[in-house]
Amino acid sequence: AAGVIQSPRHLIKEKRETATLKCYPIPRHDTVYWYQQGPGQDPQFLISFYEKMQSDKGSIPDRFSAQQFSDYHSELNMSSLELGDSALYFCASSLGRRADGYTFGSGTRLTVV
Amino acid sequence: AQSVTQPDIHITVSEGASLELRCNYSYGATPYLFWYVQSPGQGLQLLLKYFSGDTLVQGIKGFEAEFKRSQSSFNLRKPSVHWSDAAEYFCAVGAGRDDKIIFGKGTRLHILP
Repeated sequence: AAGVIQSPRHLIKEKRETATLKCYPIPRHDTVYWYQQGPGQDPQFLISFYEKMQSDKGSIPDRFSAQQFSDYHSELNMSSLELGDSALYFCASSLGRRADGYTFGSGTRLTVV
Repeated sequence: AQSVTQPDIHITVSEGASLELRCNYSYGATPYLFWYVQSPGQGLQLLLKYFSGDTLVQGIKGFEAEFKRSQSSFNLRKPSVHWSDAAEYFCAVGAGRDDKIIFGKGTRLHILP
């Protein structure tokens, strides 16, 4: 079965640079969620989209923005990167915002140097 | 808003011994409850989930969890652990069907040979 695809798997950026993370949900899933997991931390909810509209917002820094496109894939844009942004970024998708269909991708590891 | 507490940061058990990881949630109605496992630097693997019905839920890898409304708990159990079970375990809760899930701080499981 198709899973949630995240790209790239690994990304190294320098401070003050910009990064773009991509998430391709399971086919027919219309909801995407983004999480950030710092070293030794639990995954923190950042933002979610349902039918291409922002549906919920968590602890997402103002330097970050995200959107969901017409094909339901989502991109997380991170500007003015800081060392503290180094983390695992997970994307999850579901159908109709239903929690019972939550499926996580393998994550993107971002390292800021 | 929903919240979830994992009281134990670290748990150490001997290989072959039984295991119970604690999880307490806070939510007014019946929540959606999950247990995930994560090996270092890896993604989140769903062990089991509870939405309704039978309060004893069977998952993968021989794990089970029991939903106890009176105690607001969803503890994870395994009768006999294997060295490969050493990992971080996250309990997560969703406030109903149409909501994001929130993670606990996690419990790190160590296995003694």
